[in-house]
Amino acid sequence: GQQVMQIPQYQHVQEGEDFTTYCNSSTTLSNIQWYKQRPGGHPVFLIQLVKSGEVKKQKRLTFQFGEAKKNSSLHITATQTTDVGTYFCAGRRGGKLIFGQGTELSVKP
Amino acid sequence: EAGVAQSPRYKIIEKRQSVAFWCNPISGHATLYWYQQILGQGPKLLIQFQNNGVVDDSQLPKDRFSAERLKGVDSTLKIQPAKLEDSAVYLCASSLLERNTEAFFGQGTRLTVV
Repeated sequence: GQQVMQIPQYQHVQEGEDFTTYCNSSTTLSNIQWYKQRPGGHPVFLIQLVKSGEVKKQKRLTFQFGEAKKNSSLHITATQTTDVGTYFCAGRRGGKLIFGQGTELSVKP
Repeated sequence: EAGVAQSPRYKIIEKRQSVAFWCNPISGHATLYWYQQILGQGPKLLIQFQNNGVVDDSQLPKDRFSAERLKGVDSTLKIQPAKLEDSAVYLCASSLLERNTEAFFGQGTRLTVV
């Protein structure tokens, strides 16, 4: 079945360092969404990418969608302690919304 | 705007017992999802409804899990009988449309099977 793979599983950074998580799908996606889940919380929508090669920015967060619409990345510049949590990509194909395994980010102050 | 409501928040049952979870999506949202999230993993789609029809239930263990969305509004997910490996958080989410719209999640139900 359709799989969405995400790496790395964990990332520990010093506050102020950058962070990147990568997402790969075995099939072409209609769009890709990114969610953040704080410890003990539920996933919260961050952004959606629809077009091939699309790049979107939200303050210190930069999201990219690959040319083939099979991969995506989230980059955080100069991490802060408030960035702590697990970041999930979720690919949509055929209407289904399939989540990756997530990347857990911890930030040392 | 009210969010996605789920109940109960927590449930502890013994294996082989049955349990039911309830979800009320955001008003007007046609698409409803049930996800299972085991600790340390990403949400796994169990079933997706579009109004009261099933879009996908390919990962729903149909020998023990069932779900319905009567009248295309709220939904229930049932497990009967429960197994130890069913211990997880069960997340309900809804979106306005099936495509190109974000999913809003409820707080989830944390199920512990002992």
